Amino acid sequence: AQTVTQSQPEMSVQEAETVTLSCTYDTSESNYYLFWYKQPPSRQMILVIRQEAYKQQNATENRFSVNFQKAAKSFSLKISDSQLGDTAMYFCAFKVQGSNYKLTFGKGTLLTVNP
Amino acid sequence: ETGVTQSPTHLIKTRGQQVTLRCSSQSGHNTVSWYQQALGQGPQFIFQYYREEENGRGNFPPRFSGLQFPNYSSELNVNALELDDSALYLCASSLPGQGGYEQYFGPGTRLTVT
Repeated sequence: AQTVTQSQPEMSVQEAETVTLSCTYDTSESNYYLFWYKQPPSRQMILVIRQEAYKQQNATENRFSVNFQKAAKSFSLKISDSQLGDTAMYFCAFKVQGSNYKLTFGKGTLLTVNP
Repeated sequence: ETGVTQSPTHLIKTRGQQVTLRCSSQSGHNTVSWYQQALGQGPQFIFQYYREEENGRGNFPPRFSGLQFPNYSSELNVNALELDDSALYLCASSLPGQGGYEQYFGPGTRLTVT
């Protein structure tokens, strides 16, 4: 079974600053995907960034980047130049490569961006 | 392109009743997954439907059941509701073969059981 742990229930950051959200996971699988999802107060879950485990290069999407440490089973999200619209719950999620598309989520980190 | 939609938005039921939640997948997506998100928790996988058949199930009792229709829309049915069933129910659709791993979520249905 896979587990995803987010050790920071809440974080806050000033607008325009950089913040890093932590995520660790546990699995015996070698082929998998990792994701960060954002859930704003409107509730709709939005994919922020994804990482294929076989890729050594860290994924980047505009202001969002990850630090993927496969040996340490760590997958942190860095948000640069934080904006008020980044305020949301952020969930780290894991999926084994294969036919079943089950996502395993962490408990989430509530990020508040202050003006 | 139409996104994932869910109905109703909110629902209040009494313990012991039955409920049906509905999901329309994103255009062309043939796979639908259902998740339960309790307050303050991450979503928990309930089950997934692919081409009208159940294709994987999480740790949920049989009173949680589902259907997928030929147009790929889906229903989640919960019988004998319990207080702990109160949660946000999320539907997600995906299309295997085009990355396959990206799931598009709907806005959810908030179920309250009293």
